[in-house]
Amino acid sequence: AQTVTQSQPEMSVQEAETVTLSCTYDTSESDYYLFWYKQPPSRQMILVIRQEAYKQQNATENRFSVNFQKAAKSFSLKISDSQLGDAAMYFCAYREETSGSRLTFGEGTQLTVNP
Amino acid sequence: EAQVTQNPRYLITVTGKKLTVTCSQNMNHEYMSWYRQDPGLGLRQIYYSMNVEVTDKGDVPEGYKVSRKEKRNFPLILESPSPNQTSLYFCASSRTGEFQPQHFGDGTRLSIL
Repeated sequence: AQTVTQSQPEMSVQEAETVTLSCTYDTSESDYYLFWYKQPPSRQMILVIRQEAYKQQNATENRFSVNFQKAAKSFSLKISDSQLGDAAMYFCAYREETSGSRLTFGEGTQLTVNP
Repeated sequence: EAQVTQNPRYLITVTGKKLTVTCSQNMNHEYMSWYRQDPGLGLRQIYYSMNVEVTDKGDVPEGYKVSRKEKRNFPLILESPSPNQTSLYFCASSRTGEFQPQHFGDGTRLSIL
């Protein structure tokens, strides 16, 4: 079974600084998708960014970018110019091309942004 | 507005009293799924449905039932809830076969005493 591991239960960053959240996954598939979701205290699950495994170019969405290393099975999230509103639980998720839409989630990383 | 609606948002109940958490989506999505979220474990899939009348077990199906009689609805049923089912539950939906993210409901906090 595929697994997703987030080795940092908690991280903190100063406002306006940059932080990187780690995610590794285990799979024998070559086609899959990776996602980062944000869960603020409101409990909503908000899609932050997504990456298709066959694309070598790292995805970017404004202040959020990923470092996708397919051979290393690593998918880290970089948040630049951190803002207080970025404080949340962040989940890394994996989805196979062949499994329909099933998502496998990591354990989550709680990000604190200090003013 | 495109959304996934779960009800109730909060529920405190007692062991053994059957309960149903409803989930409805208005996006005509084929795929729907239930997850439970527990500290340190992330979200784990309970059941999923690829289309009407098609359901299958996820990673933690024990103690739960689902049905998919209509495309828009996917209720989660706890026939005899136990304290270990105290958790935060999410319903999600998406299209199938495309690079589409799942849309999540706002979550249901269940406490089983």
